[in-house]
Amino acid sequence: ELKVEQNPLFLSMQEGKNYTIYCNYSTTSDRLYWYRQDPGKSLESLFVLLSNGAVKQEGRLMASLDTKARLSTLHITAAVHDLSATYFCAAYRTGGGADGLTFGKGTHLIIQP
Amino acid sequence: DVKVTQSSRYLVKRTGEKVFLECVQDMDHENMFWYRQDPGLGLRLIYFSYDVKMKEKGDIPEGYSVSREKKERFSLILESASTNQTSMYLCASSLWGGPQHFGDGTRLSIL
Repeated sequence: ELKVEQNPLFLSMQEGKNYTIYCNYSTTSDRLYWYRQDPGKSLESLFVLLSNGAVKQEGRLMASLDTKARLSTLHITAAVHDLSATYFCAAYRTGGGADGLTFGKGTHLIIQP
Repeated sequence: DVKVTQSSRYLVKRTGEKVFLECVQDMDHENMFWYRQDPGLGLRLIYFSYDVKMKEKGDIPEGYSVSREKKERFSLILESASTNQTSMYLCASSLWGGPQHFGDGTRLSIL
């Protein structure tokens, strides 16, 4: 059974600082996703990581994937208030009765001025 | 842009009622999904469909059923609603290998 663990689950940081959110998954997965969710809103796709060593960047966010370690990271550079949201990672599982994503519990990120 | 539309943002029903949640996508995606989101538990997959009339159980299918009669529409059915089904329900669609695109969600309360 695929399990996905994120840490930390809650993060309060100041603007201008750097920080990393970690996402570990328990069994082989060939795809790793990062999503953002604002309060009361739906999930917005940020990154899709498809192979070992994949790195993607969008603005102040950078995501990477290490399939051997079963680890993905989301790095925030020089945080700004607008990045406050809940961030989810999700690993794609196939077979075993159902395809689909297994989500981590989410990291609630607050960026203070 | 991909558009995934859920029929209701907020819904209040009573225990024992049969409840239908509708989801429509406009991008000809093969795959459609229903999740529920609960505080502290994240998102959990209820059912998944990869083609018309095809369905697969997810992690928590008990008490739910689904229907996919047309490619663009995926319905979630609560056969006899119970209070523990009060939750936020999210529908998503995707192409094979692509990211899932989510609707705005339906916040369902069962009284």
